[in-house]
Formats: sequence, C-alpha cells, structure tokens
Amino acid sequence: GQNIDQPTEMTATEGAIVQINCTYQTSGFNGLFWYQQHAGEAPTFLSYNVLDGLEEKGRFSSFLSRSKGYSYLLLKELQMKDSASYLCAVSGGYNKLIFGAGTRLAVHP
Amino acid sequence: DSGVTQTPKHLITATGQRVTLRCSPRSGDLSVYWYQQSLDQGLQFLIQYYNGEERAKGNILERFSAQQFPDLHSELNLSSLELGDSALYFCASSAPGGRYEQYFGPGTRLTVT
Repeated sequence: GQNIDQPTEMTATEGAIVQINCTYQTSGFNGLFWYQQHAGEAPTFLSYNVLDGLEEKGRFSSFLSRSKGYSYLLLKELQMKDSASYLCAVSGGYNKLIFGAGTRLAVHP
Repeated sequence: DSGVTQTPKHLITATGQRVTLRCSPRSGDLSVYWYQQSLDQGLQFLIQYYNGEERAKGNILERFSAQQFPDLHSELNLSSLELGDSALYFCASSAPGGRYEQYFGPGTRLTVT
C-alpha cells in the first residue's frame, strides 16, 4: 500500500525556524516533492529530492532519507506569508504524485 | 502564474448533471494530470495522460472520464453528478524527462447542489 504521514497542524512565530516532517511508504519511488498551498489556491512547487541529503533553496530546505522513508521541510526566517498548507508528495510509477494530507502552518507575530 | 490554464474557474450545477472541465498545459509539456481536492481530503490523483495516451489511473470513478487532444489540452468529464463530487479540481502538467515536477493550474471549483 501507499501511505504518507505528516502532522496536521503546526504553529510558529515570525522570524523563527520550523521543521515539517513527512514519513512515507510507497510501492515506487521517483522522488519526493514539497508543495505550498494557500487556501483555495493551486499548490506551488517548493522542492524536489531524489537522493539522500539536504537541498537548500533560499529560506527553504528539504531533506530526504530513502532508507528511513523520511523527509522534512525546513523553513527559516518565517514570514506571515508563509502561513499555508505544506504538502509532501511522493512520485511513484509514471510520475503520478501521491500526496499527504498536508500540514497547516500558522505563523504568528 | 504556472502557465497551466483551467476553465471555468467556478461551476455550479445540479445533481445528475454532466460537466466538462478544460485544461491547457504549459507550453512544451506533454503530461497532464488531474487531481480532486475535497474540503475534508487532500489532493487525490485521478488520471494522467502523456502525449494523448492514458498513462496512469488513480481512484477515478467510473462516472468520470478524461482525454487529451492532439493539441495537448485535456478535458475531464464528470457525469451523473452527486453532492459529494463538489470539490476543487486541479490540472497539472510536467515536462518530458527531467525532474518531473508538476505545475498546477488555478483549479476549477465545482459545486453540486
């Protein structure tokens, strides 16, 4: 079967750092994606990991451990506009994405 | 703006009816994916087309069908609509080869009354 788990909700303070974890069990693996989605809007691509290790892109970093079926998204210097849902997705056969339920992040002043 | 377009933006219809949602992928992308997002559920993969051919199927109901045309735009047809079909329907596209990231259109919000 296929299963992706991530926390339902998280809160953080403006300027702080937050780590959103994702664990997965899938039958195929072509990479792990993180997307950001504001309410009622389209998901927007944040990061992609296919090899173990850390990928850094500005204030956002993403980590992957394939042997542990584990990833995290690290957001630094949080801003109010970072309040959104963060979706972890695994790419399986033929590149179809299996999404987790998403983590709703609330950033407070 | 991802470059993926979807029409219409909103659609309100009655139970039992049939609707067609349209998607145009980014220029150069050959793959089109359809997803459903209900209020109480995450993004659910429905179906994928690659260059006109069906490539992968998810939990798509038999009442739903899709196709991709020679100009690579795609249509998702929903028939015998039920209240539970009310959701946001997203189309995404990706380039051939490469890292396979998918770029999402703005979505069509379907309300079945």
